[in-house]
Amino acid sequence: DIQMTQSPSTLSASVGDRVTITCRASQSISGWLAWYQQKPGKAPKLLIYKASSLESGVPSRFSGSGSGTEFTLTISSLQPDDFATYYCQQYNSYSPGNTFGQGTKVEIK
Amino acid sequence: EVQLLESGGGLVQPGGSLRLSCAASGFTFSSYAMSWVRQAPGKGLEWVSGISDGSGSTYYAGSVKGRFTISRDNSKNTLYLQMNSLRADDTAVYYCAKDSPGMGPFDYWGQGTLVTVSS
Repeated sequence: DIQMTQSPSTLSASVGDRVTITCRASQSISGWLAWYQQKPGKAPKLLIYKASSLESGVPSRFSGSGSGTEFTLTISSLQPDDFATYYCQQYNSYSPGNTFGQGTKVEIK
Repeated sequence: EVQLLESGGGLVQPGGSLRLSCAASGFTFSSYAMSWVRQAPGKGLEWVSGISDGSGSTYYAGSVKGRFTISRDNSKNTLYLQMNSLRADDTAVYYCAKDSPGMGPFDYWGQGTLVTVSS
């Protein structure tokens, strides 16, 4: 099974801060990684696919990088609408294990 | 406009069964793989099961393999999840999600349906 590990689990930040979230895969997934944003009571929203490609309509302050086993999601200047939980997901292969990371909650400092 | 509408959730006793449905519209349903993802109260996302566009291939998380069955009816634009031998830890909001082209990430999600397993 491919295991996905995100860090940190919680992140406290202020509006305007640069924020970075890390996701590690237990084995190489090439660039088959996505990032989602989820707000309370809502379905997740796709932000980034193929590690660094921005989904249509997503603000350019979001960016992704990485390949192989280590990936990052960066928010260049945190906005009030960005306080949410973020998940990475590998889609290199279906896995009996969870394809999602455990999530990173971005809180207001 | 792509729409995914789940139904069939509710309260069920441990050991019971439930079938979830996801009605799709706004895209060529038969051309895309689909998945179910769940989220237990206060917890993270867990991929549950996936099915290829032509139903030729199905995939399951280890936690549900042998108990859940995913299927689709392309003539009705509907995705299903048959859940048997339900346990308390299956309690969650269940989302259906559309794969982006080539069994990629999930570009559209339904609003979710709550399944509660309790006596």
